[in-house]
Amino acid sequence: RKEVEQDPGPFNVPEGATVAFNCTYSNSASQSFFWYRQDCRKEPKLLMSVYSSGNEDGRFTAQLNRASQYISLLIRDSKLSDSATYLCVVTSNYGQNFVFGPGTRLSVLP
Amino acid sequence: EAQVTQNPRYLITVTGKKLTVTCSQNMNHEYMSWYRQDPGLGLRQIYYSMNVEVTDKGDVPEGYKVSRKEKRNFPLILESPSPNQTSLYFCASSSPTPGRWEAFFGQGTRLTVV
Repeated sequence: RKEVEQDPGPFNVPEGATVAFNCTYSNSASQSFFWYRQDCRKEPKLLMSVYSSGNEDGRFTAQLNRASQYISLLIRDSKLSDSATYLCVVTSNYGQNFVFGPGTRLSVLP
Repeated sequence: EAQVTQNPRYLITVTGKKLTVTCSQNMNHEYMSWYRQDPGLGLRQIYYSMNVEVTDKGDVPEGYKVSRKEKRNFPLILESPSPNQTSLYFCASSSPTPGRWEAFFGQGTRLTVV
């Protein structure tokens, strides 16, 4: 079993749709959780950190369920510019080890 | 501006010709890492460093070397590149400060070995 798993995708959605990404991790000692966004052939960039209480940043909402070892990302009112690959990232060992999920590609269509 | 800088961005080389990809960060981060990204395989860690003169193997270290003589620099060395090292490479840095563990990435180096 892979350490971090994500929906295989791709997701093709119309503008304005709500889209949900799911991620599970296997290492119960994981300490911090992130969603990164990666545009084609470019570097991953931090989208948001994920906290146990859940957090929201504009149209983006992230949730963490430590008991289920599950992380989610919700994008509301999706825009064309949201088209990218979304990477679930888990760290352990006080930030030394980053483990990336395989990513889920999103295409928002006009 | 906080950044991680990699050079070169693109490189085509021949099998067996030693090469170095440089990485530099200006955020005074202790942790630095190298990743390769291949279609269908995602990002895989090659080597990482927790501080100056402290390095360790990641998931796919074979065929690579690194050094960390200064805190800001973490070069990746391919002593004898082979075609299976054709990939997109990313350098990243991060801090051990709790609550600030997010990784910052360089712009990537696209390497082709023929």
